[in-house]
Amino acid sequence: GENVEQHPSTLSVQEGDSAVIKCTYSDSASNYFPWYKQELGKGPQLIIDIRSNVGEKKDQRIAVTLNKTAKHFSLHITETQPEDSAVYFCAASRINAGNMLTFGGGTRLMVKP
Amino acid sequence: DVKVTQSSRYLVKRTGEKVFLECVQDMDHENMFWYRQDPGLGLRLIYFSYDVKMKEKGDIPEGYSVSREKKERFSLILESASTNQTSMYLCASREGGSGNTIYFGEGSWLTVV
Repeated sequence: GENVEQHPSTLSVQEGDSAVIKCTYSDSASNYFPWYKQELGKGPQLIIDIRSNVGEKKDQRIAVTLNKTAKHFSLHITETQPEDSAVYFCAASRINAGNMLTFGGGTRLMVKP
Repeated sequence: DVKVTQSSRYLVKRTGEKVFLECVQDMDHENMFWYRQDPGLGLRLIYFSYDVKMKEKGDIPEGYSVSREKKERFSLILESASTNQTSMYLCASREGGSGNTIYFGEGSWLTVV
């Protein structure tokens, strides 16, 4: 089955700096890669996703890049703000009704004001 | 907005007790899920259901069972709670296949003493 590894497990940045979280996956047939943000006391919420037919996707201050050859994808947050502080999860799956998401171990991002 | 409601946010149970975690979604989604969240391990799938009275094992089903008698409701059952089941439990729902967004509830913190 799929295996997703996520690094780093914790990341501390100064407000205004950029943050990058990286994930690798094992199943070369995976073609859907969402990122979830979990704020304290809440459930994870989808913030951005990418499918294997594109290499990069951007939404305001967040972007995701995908390298299918190397089987890794990354989340980039620019101009970080204190409200970006949360736990971030990457995930991977095949777009197929029978396939479930496999999640990475999570990254705790702390943005210091 | 999609709402996934977990009725119990914090529970403390004794070893050997039977525990019910209830989840309700209000968007008529076919698919419902129970995940377990532990630090460093990400989100691990316990069970999922793609229709009423249907269930499929996830990655870590041992010690758990589920019930889905109505489309909107998905229950997780710990037949005989053990201390290694102390964790955060997340319910989720999704419409259609694995390329669609999963919506999570806010989680149930279970402590088994």
